[in-house]
Amino acid sequence: DQQVKQNSPSLSVQEGRISILNCDYTNSMFDYFLWYKKYPAEGPTFLISISSIKDKNEDGRFTVFLNKSAKHLSLHIVPSQPGDSAVYFCAASGFSNAGNMLTFGGGTRLMVKP
Amino acid sequence: SQTIHQWPATLVQPVGSPLSLECTVEGTSNPNLYWYRQAAGRGLQLLFYSVGIGQISSEVPQNLSASRPQDRQFILSSKKLLLSDSGFYLCACLPTSAAYEQYFGPGTRLTVT
Repeated sequence: DQQVKQNSPSLSVQEGRISILNCDYTNSMFDYFLWYKKYPAEGPTFLISISSIKDKNEDGRFTVFLNKSAKHLSLHIVPSQPGDSAVYFCAASGFSNAGNMLTFGGGTRLMVKP
Repeated sequence: SQTIHQWPATLVQPVGSPLSLECTVEGTSNPNLYWYRQAAGRGLQLLFYSVGIGQISSEVPQNLSASRPQDRQFILSSKKLLLSDSGFYLCACLPTSAAYEQYFGPGTRLTVT
């Protein structure tokens, strides 16, 4: 049972336009959410995060929105650049006796066309 | 800040052969450590995690095992590889149990032939 889902496996966007990546989760105990960016043959790098007590967090061109009632978060990239082309993973954090554990979605491949 | 090293970067192994992947961490002490696998076109699957030396928890039953012989060393092993073990293996570090962001190493591409 997938607790974190990214229903769009891929997204293609024109350079300069907005990219919107979506993520849904089922576990209401998740209290922190993160987005990672991954290039081929490299490890994921942390991009931006949001606590469950907030509904928006912004960092430069990247904004994450959280809708707790809908159990939905989204990542907005404005404006999109060709270097943003990568796979984006959303992750949700829940506390366990081993500390905060991450559950990842399946990823969305973003392609930004020049 | 922490740095995570993984080796080898790429590995091609025949079915039935053993496996040893190594991960070492610099810049932090007593981190939580994780092994993930990304199969082709798939998400990140947590395989093992460790909260301390000699402490290993398995998330997915399989023919892989993990060990943590030192505080900043995490090893993924197998006695006999299967074709289905092919994938991209990632080691990750959580600097403190109160933190949220995990930091990833560069990964090892394993192809079982």
